[in-house]
Amino acid sequence: GEDVEQSLFLSVREGDSSVINCTYTDSSSTYLYWYKQEPGAGLQLLTYIFSNMDMKQDQRLTVLLNKKDKHLSLRIADTQTGDSAIYFCAESRISGNTPLVFGKGTRLSVIA
Amino acid sequence: DSGVTQTPKHLITATGQRVTLRCSPRSGDLSVYWYQQSLDQGLQFLIQYYNGEERAKGNILERFSAQQFPDLHSELNLSSLELGDSALYFCASSTMSMNTEAFFGQGTRLTVV
Repeated sequence: GEDVEQSLFLSVREGDSSVINCTYTDSSSTYLYWYKQEPGAGLQLLTYIFSNMDMKQDQRLTVLLNKKDKHLSLRIADTQTGDSAIYFCAESRISGNTPLVFGKGTRLSVIA
Repeated sequence: DSGVTQTPKHLITATGQRVTLRCSPRSGDLSVYWYQQSLDQGLQFLIQYYNGEERAKGNILERFSAQQFPDLHSELNLSSLELGDSALYFCASSTMSMNTEAFFGQGTRLTVV
């Protein structure tokens, strides 16, 4: 079955690094995504990683994938107050007809 | 701005009523997905259309239906509304039937009273 788990809350100080973790169960997951949802807004695609990659870096964001443990993480360097939001991990298979399966989201609070 | 437009932004209606939510996908995107976001269930996939045809079905109630029109916009119809249908309804679109990158609209917040 498909299941994506995330911790619900994370609190960090401004300037520190944030690490948001996610585990998934579907070993056929091919793409893994991180979305950001700010209050009252839709979901914004932050980054995604293909399952044959271990790491992807995009400015302050680093995605690490441990396919053996089915563990995905998002590291935000130099976290700012504007990073406060809910972060969703999601997976999909490339075999078609498979919509995104989301975790319940991690609420990141950045303390100034 | 993701390029996906949803209307209306907010909707308040009474139990038993029927509402229609509308979504215009990004230009060129053939796939449209509908998701429901509630506090207890998180983001649940409802249904997907690709170029006018239903492609995948998720946890969509029989009281709910959707369609995608020739101009690729989509509508989600919710009928016999119950209090528990109150949620944020998102539409997303992507270029292929397999959503490598799905872009989300701002959502329609439905409140059933």
